Amino acid sequence: NAGVTQTPKFRVLKTGQSMTLLCAQDMNHEYMYWYRQDPGMGLRLIHYSVGEGTTAKGEVPDGYNVSRLKKQNFLLGLESAAPSQTSVYFCASTYRGGWTEAFFGQGTRLTVV
Amino acid sequence: AQSVTQPDIHITVSEGASLELRCNYSYGATPYLFWYVQSPGQGLQLLLKYFSGDTLVQGIKGFEAEFKRSQSSFNLRKPSVHWSDAAEYFCAVGLMEYGNKLVFGAGTILRVKS
Repeated sequence: NAGVTQTPKFRVLKTGQSMTLLCAQDMNHEYMYWYRQDPGMGLRLIHYSVGEGTTAKGEVPDGYNVSRLKKQNFLLGLESAAPSQTSVYFCASTYRGGWTEAFFGQGTRLTVV
Repeated sequence: AQSVTQPDIHITVSEGASLELRCNYSYGATPYLFWYVQSPGQGLQLLLKYFSGDTLVQGIKGFEAEFKRSQSSFNLRKPSVHWSDAAEYFCAVGLMEYGNKLVFGAGTILRVKS
């Protein structure tokens, strides 16, 4: 099993450009999450989904949109990238909610110049 | 406000010495508690978890953690640290009451000196 796969692994964007990060899991998990990791701030929840067709806001949702059209995929979009969105982005999935083990992707390092 | 606090940003220990990483949470109910480890350039891996029952839980790689309700703490320990334990460690809380979220502390970077 691949587990949780994120694409791309690295990306450099110019301010104002848009992009989509893809997260795919093959574990039939219901819940999926997008986090951003910044030095000294741990992982902060951007958006999450409790099932196919659902999305919800986390702690830092501004500037991001998400979609969960298929159970196995969770997309994170940046419509107009800003330097403040330079970060490492992690996708995670759990069988149920936050009380079950989360499986993480390898991360996407995004730089906005 | 609800939070997960890891008071130590960096910790340095000698190889073979014991280790304790601190974690405190401030939620009303007893949450589900986790410790994750992140090696450089990698994703996060679960070390151990506490849901209920015995307050001392064992995890992988020789780690253990103790839940203390009276102190709202879930500290991670290892009796003898190995150089390969150098990594960043995150305490996390799973919350059913708050939209099924998994909330992380800021992390503690462990350095191991030989």
